[in-house]
Amino acid sequence: EAGVTQSPTHLIKTRGQQATLRCSPISGHTSVYWYQQALGLGLQFLLWYDEGEERNRGNFPPRFSGRQFPNYSSELNVNALELEDSALYLCASSPRVRRNEQFFGPGTRLTVL
Amino acid sequence: TQLLEQSPQFLSIQEGENLTVYCNSSSVFSSLQWYRQEPGEGPVLLVTVVTGGEVKKLKRLTFQFGDARKDSSLHITAAQPGDTGLYLCAGEGNQGGKLIFGQGTELSVKP
Repeated sequence: EAGVTQSPTHLIKTRGQQATLRCSPISGHTSVYWYQQALGLGLQFLLWYDEGEERNRGNFPPRFSGRQFPNYSSELNVNALELEDSALYLCASSPRVRRNEQFFGPGTRLTVL
Repeated sequence: TQLLEQSPQFLSIQEGENLTVYCNSSSVFSSLQWYRQEPGEGPVLLVTVVTGGEVKKLKRLTFQFGDARKDSSLHITAAQPGDTGLYLCAGEGNQGGKLIFGQGTELSVKP
């Protein structure tokens, strides 16, 4: 069974630019979650999508947004990039009935210069 | 606010030693998860504990959920260099879908 996949692996942007990160969940999983793992801050919840709808968002500004497509894949968009957005962005997926068991992808390393 | 506190934050031991990592909260969680993460990779789910007092074993790893479902521990017997990594506990928050993570325990096992 293929795991969660994310692209790109690395992304380098400059301040003010926009970044788009992509995630494909495990087959059969309908929920997709996004987390930010910044140095020294641990994993922070960003967004949860299920059945194409945003179900919950963490304490992040509106320039962090995303969407989920009919095939359950997801995109995370970060607008007006700031230096402190540099982090590992992790996508996870779960079956709808076991939301606590989230399986993570390898992440996208975003560097903002 | 639901928080999970892990201790210790850093642990450096010799191969063959035993160790315990703790995950504590003042809040009750319906379940707790333990993950292991290696540098540059995503966390890998090791176990989910659901019932208060539950004990689960995964080879040399033993996981326990506190009776009151506010804490958990991970015990590793005869640690090996391959056990090196960041160990994270996580619990589902009151708001759906969100996992709350502890700050992690960085384990280094030297040969």
